[in-house]
Amino acid sequence: GAGVSQSPSNKVTEKGKDVELRCDPISGHTALYWYRQRLGQGLEFLIYFQGNSAPDKSGLPSDRFSAERTGESVSTLTIQRTQQEDSAVYLCASSLPQGANSPLHFGNGTRLTVT
Amino acid sequence: GQSLEQPSEVTAVEGAIVQINCTYQTSGFYGLSWYQQHDGGAPTFLSYNALDGLEETGRFSSFLSRSDSYGYLLLQELQMKDSASYFCAVRDRRRNTGKLIFGQGTTLQVKP
Repeated sequence: GAGVSQSPSNKVTEKGKDVELRCDPISGHTALYWYRQRLGQGLEFLIYFQGNSAPDKSGLPSDRFSAERTGESVSTLTIQRTQQEDSAVYLCASSLPQGANSPLHFGNGTRLTVT
Repeated sequence: GQSLEQPSEVTAVEGAIVQINCTYQTSGFYGLSWYQQHDGGAPTFLSYNALDGLEETGRFSSFLSRSDSYGYLLLQELQMKDSASYFCAVRDRRRNTGKLIFGQGTTLQVKP
């Protein structure tokens, strides 16, 4: 079936505005991850959802960041009062139920530019 | 917590063999994974090692030594299309989380 889908692919916003990023995981993938990747940098963990368990929010950089997931489907990452340092590619990934060898399948990301 | 160290850049010529090392510190070990990311693209899974030794998948192999907290990705018969960033990753074993933590990545440049 289809892979992980993210929208929008690109988003340009003014400093101080709120943005909402969307992720549609692969059907049947109960685990969902959000990562941030600044230009030329590694993947910075933001948040992890696994089934009905409480999400691991330990990577969210500030209270301006929040994420939700509806059941085992769509997830949205919201950034409030955007700042220029929020400019990055936001990557979503999904995987089968957590197991030792459940590879992550990534979407193509949303490139966020805050002007 | 978890941390991973890998070289920032590696350069090699077409047809050669290159090894990308990864050392990790973790409070509990649950396997070492490798991902490839071409410029502007999404990361894709390459390999996974749970036990010591070498795992081979075509031109790519991955090695793990749990006693040394060390692993490497070996790329043979390098091709221009192998130019990409390579990330090692470990899974957080702490209770109630299974997040995957990535290294900062190694940029491989393959030259003609």
